[in-house]
Amino acid sequence: NAGVTQTPKFRILKIGQSMTLQCTQDMNHNYMYWYRQDPGMGLKLIYYSVGAGITDKGEVPNGYNVSRSTTEDFPLRLELAAPSQTSVYFCASSYSISLTEQFFGPGTRLTVL
Amino acid sequence: AQTVTQSQPEMSVQEAETVTLSCTYDTSESDYYLFWYKQPPSRQMILVIRQEAYKQQNATENRFSVNFQKAAKSFSLKISDSQLGDAAMYFCAYRSGDTGNQFYFGTGTSLTVIP
Repeated sequence: NAGVTQTPKFRILKIGQSMTLQCTQDMNHNYMYWYRQDPGMGLKLIYYSVGAGITDKGEVPNGYNVSRSTTEDFPLRLELAAPSQTSVYFCASSYSISLTEQFFGPGTRLTVL
Repeated sequence: AQTVTQSQPEMSVQEAETVTLSCTYDTSESDYYLFWYKQPPSRQMILVIRQEAYKQQNATENRFSVNFQKAAKSFSLKISDSQLGDAAMYFCAYRSGDTGNQFYFGTGTSLTVIP
C-alpha cells in the first residue's frame, strides 16, 4: 500500500491564482482530512469528509473548497489564492471513528506571492 | 473547540538519556483520545503513541511512554534511551470520543538529540 499520497510536493502561486491539491489514499478509509500547518504552529483542520459525497468544515475553511466523489480521493481547491494561504498542507485519512489513528500524507508546501 | 498546549517550544537531550515532553489540554468531556505525533524533517506525521481517556494504565510503546494525569489534564511523553533518529518536532493531539471527527493539535516541541 502506498498509504496517503499528495501532489504536488511544492507549489508557488501568484495572488489570485487557483489550484487544486490532490490527495489519494489506498487503504479504503472512510474518513479523510485536510490540515494546514503554519510555521511554528500545530495543524489546523480545514475540511474533512466522513465518506464519499459527504464533507464538512473544520476550524479554518475560508478560502478553500473540497469534494469527495470517491472513497480514494479528496482534493482541496484554493480559489483566489492569498498570501495568508502560504502554508504546508497535509492530507490524512482514518478508517472510522472507532479506529482513532490518522494516517498522514507527506505534505504540500504552498507559497503565495 | 478544545485547546492543546505544549509549553516547551524546544527541548534537547543527550543521546541515550531520557527526556520528557509536556502537554496539557482543556476539555469538559470525559471520553476522548490523546496522541503524540512525531514530525521529522521529511514533514510526514508519524503516530508515536496514543492513550484512551477511559484507560487508567499509561500507554507504552518500546522506548516511548506517557504519563497521563486525567484530573490534571496532563499528557506528557517520555522518551527513554534517546537516539539520534528521535530528533523531530513532536505534536500532542486531542480527539473527542463523542463528536470525534476533529483532531486538535498543540504547537509542537522541537527535540534535538545531542550526540
